[in-house]
Amino acid sequence: QSVLTQPPSASGTPGQRVAISCSGSSSNIGINVVNWYQQVPGTAPRLLIYKNNQRPSGVPDRFSGSKSGTSASLAISGLQSEDEAVYYCATWDASLNGHVVFGGGTKLTVL
Amino acid sequence: QVQLVESGGDLVKPGESLRLSCAASGFTFSDYYMTWVRQAPGQGLEWMSYISDDGRTTYFADSVKGRVTVSRDNTANSLFLQISSLGAEDTAIYYCARVAVVNGLVSYSYMDVWGTGTAVTVSS
Repeated sequence: QSVLTQPPSASGTPGQRVAISCSGSSSNIGINVVNWYQQVPGTAPRLLIYKNNQRPSGVPDRFSGSKSGTSASLAISGLQSEDEAVYYCATWDASLNGHVVFGGGTKLTVL
Repeated sequence: QVQLVESGGDLVKPGESLRLSCAASGFTFSDYYMTWVRQAPGQGLEWMSYISDDGRTTYFADSVKGRVTVSRDNTANSLFLQISSLGAEDTAIYYCARVAVVNGLVSYSYMDVWGTGTAVTVSS
């Protein structure tokens, strides 16, 4: 059971817009920034969004992040087949002397 | 280019210990916090530990606290993870990652460079 709650799956057709939610609490998302990671099957995770809504260089602007209260969201517009991957949200949790928490991951399927 | 390469993964027996290494290149290793994250087969990502840039401060997940030691050698650009009393639940791919700490606040940190991982299997 992950501290951050994500839907286990999401899907969309090429060109569509998809949003993935990440729900936390006042000890994590409520007071800290949220980061998103993309993991294509068989490969290492890579940073997709940091500090709620910032994109590292090389990440297309089709990807965007937002945060409100104790929830965060990752949006992917103009869905492409290469976006098929598992997406994880993560943040710092201030409880128990501080630690990183990940969401359980959302498997995105491009139909 | 910026690169992290893990090594040391192996097939080990329950109860044994293992030391994993992560070799960094392409950046000033001593400027960055580092972290270990693992992924059990078919499962999600599990954060294990942070170590500060100077090695003096560490954070651990409750799930591994007391069984895991993290250390670094900034002169050798290397990060280490020692796990003791290994059990089947430790079977996973272990990733090291570079941590960008914003304004000195770990609560604003993110993992911006990842290694390709090293596989640990615990089985008799």
